[in-house]
Amino acid sequence: DTAVSQTPKYLVTQMGNDKSIKCEQNLGHDTMYWYKQDSKKFLKIMFSYNNKELIINETVPNRFSPKSPDKAHLNLHINSLELGDSAVYFCASSLTSGGTLSHEQYFGPGTRLTVT
Amino acid sequence: DAKTTQPPSMDCAEGRAANLPCNHSTISGNEYVYWYRQIHSQGPQYIIHGLKNNETNEMASLIITEDRKSSTLILPHATLRDTAVYYCIVRPIQGAQKLVFGQGTRLTINP
Repeated sequence: DTAVSQTPKYLVTQMGNDKSIKCEQNLGHDTMYWYKQDSKKFLKIMFSYNNKELIINETVPNRFSPKSPDKAHLNLHINSLELGDSAVYFCASSLTSGGTLSHEQYFGPGTRLTVT
Repeated sequence: DAKTTQPPSMDCAEGRAANLPCNHSTISGNEYVYWYRQIHSQGPQYIIHGLKNNETNEMASLIITEDRKSSTLILPHATLRDTAVYYCIVRPIQGAQKLVFGQGTRLTINP
């Protein structure tokens, strides 16, 4: 199936650990995103990559480091996890051709991170 | 910060039309209106978008007022599977591709 996939779906870990979330899209898109949805259900952009280049970097702690090995993948590595990092993290992708606005972002199913 | 205002919740009977309002009084001429929805425990899903004309697709219709300061998303024949949080978002034609989500409207379809 063509889609945006994320692994793992659930992640439970202790404070201070380092963890990674992986995202892959097979839609042929050139732009990928990470969004965070906290316990109050607010959904906020964190990062965006276009053709492996970082184009959006919101006010996110340095402990969060995105990595895009190629256009189809955008991974999120989190160092020294804190309780406040507990949230659902959504990956998304869209097609942006030569600066043309992409009207539709496709979202993955989310990764529920619980830090204890 | 979100540039839209939506009612926090609405109810609609199954089979009836669900009309979800959105206020975007500060919208500028280069901004589109988008609607996304998030069904429980899933990622957001694109529904429809528009600039100034009314739009319709297989999922919904979007009615934008002439002054563009408000819009209404219409689900013509709501089903139980339409129960979700609906987000109205405005975004520039050019520039950053990020979506800025507000609180949305929690729509409950009742049998």
